Amino acid sequence: NAGVMQNPRHLVRRRGQEARLRCSPMKGHSHVYWYRQLPEEGLKFMVYLQKENIIDESGMPKERFSAEFPKEGPSILRIQQVVRGDSAAYFCASSPLTRLAPYEQYFGPGTRLTVT
Amino acid sequence: RKEVEQDPGPFNVPEGATVAFNCTYSNSASQSFFWYRQDCRKEPKLLMSVYSSGNEDGRFTAQLNRASQYISLLIRDSKLSDSATYLCVIGNTGKLIFGQGTTLQVKP
Repeated sequence: NAGVMQNPRHLVRRRGQEARLRCSPMKGHSHVYWYRQLPEEGLKFMVYLQKENIIDESGMPKERFSAEFPKEGPSILRIQQVVRGDSAAYFCASSPLTRLAPYEQYFGPGTRLTVT
Repeated sequence: RKEVEQDPGPFNVPEGATVAFNCTYSNSASQSFFWYRQDCRKEPKLLMSVYSSGNEDGRFTAQLNRASQYISLLIRDSKLSDSATYLCVIGNTGKLIFGQGTTLQVKP
């Protein structure tokens, strides 16, 4: 059973470009979460999605960031007009959100974004 | 005040030692509790869920005290491979809230 998959693993963008990060959840998981880890900091929640729905985006910066989880295909985290402060590791997690194991989330290997 | 507070360490212990980590959380309505492990800022890996009754998985024991809003992790007979950052994590309405982590270094 493949785990959570993320690509690309490393992404380099110049300031002002767009970054697209992709996440495929574990088989059987319909809930996807994005987290960001800035250098020397802990992981911070960004957004929680189900298929075609954003459930909680309270951790998303108000501008330039968006996320989606379409009916078909991976979840996408999109960062427009990247700035140096966006350089971080972006982790995706998925969960089956069963009653027996609420909120246990399994993480992908992350995408390390570097903005030059 | 941070939602989840941990002593960052580092904790330097010899192989075979017993080491304990503690964590406090501020939101009394928190719903679920976990310890994750992170190696060299790779992806966090779920170590164990934490229940009020306490739970044990091999050399690892976790305890939750809801009244004091306190979570602990005990590692017995430390191995070199236990060297990592241990993350105290709270679950609320789906999202996870992470502590800064406690670094453990097990020495030969």
